Amino acid sequence: EVQLVESGGGVVRPGGSLRLSCAASGFTFYDYGMSWVRQAPGKGLEWVSAINWNGISTVYADSVKGRFTISRDNAKNSLYLQMNSLGAEDTALYYCAREDLGDGYNYVYWGQGTLVTVSS
Amino acid sequence: SYEVTQPPSVSVSPGQTASITCSGDKLGDKYASWYQQKPGQSPVLVIYQDTKRPSGIPERFSGSNSGNTATLTISGTQALDEADYYCQAWDSTTAVVFGGGTKLTVL
Repeated sequence: EVQLVESGGGVVRPGGSLRLSCAASGFTFYDYGMSWVRQAPGKGLEWVSAINWNGISTVYADSVKGRFTISRDNAKNSLYLQMNSLGAEDTALYYCAREDLGDGYNYVYWGQGTLVTVSS
Repeated sequence: SYEVTQPPSVSVSPGQTASITCSGDKLGDKYASWYQQKPGQSPVLVIYQDTKRPSGIPERFSGSNSGNTATLTISGTQALDEADYYCQAWDSTTAVVFGGGTKLTVL
């Protein structure tokens, strides 16, 4: 069974940093690209970042470019999101998701999310 | 940056057909996907690459994408289809973008 379990969320002050993790199991992790998608409380989905299977290729939403860094450790079956210079606009539930079904960022499998709250 | 627009809400009677649109400049030249999200749950992919259904998604869900509009159609809508629906657009030249979401009410 495919499982994605996010962790690392919490309350952080504006300007602070946080590192999210996503532990993957039930599939061959290095065979898949992975992404982060977030959802502010009561709001819609916002794509954040994606990384290819070997970590060489990464892409970011304009809203996080230069502040967030996506990475992965295939030996540990883990995906990460380093978030710096956090602001209130980054408060959200952060999901990791597995890319599936050929071309395009098609997300069949999602984690349950980890909540990040940026507040003083 | 690229944007796609959805109506905030759509209402449908049980058993009828619901159509949810997603609009964007030359959206038909990109891939459109659709996600269903119920309160407190992670999203579920219901349509990908414009028209394809993932395994386990009922046949009543279908999609189309042409010109500037992608459409999710739910035939014979059931009460359990009540949810928020998000379109997602992508092509090799743009980053992934989600629409603002449409709340489908079955009444």
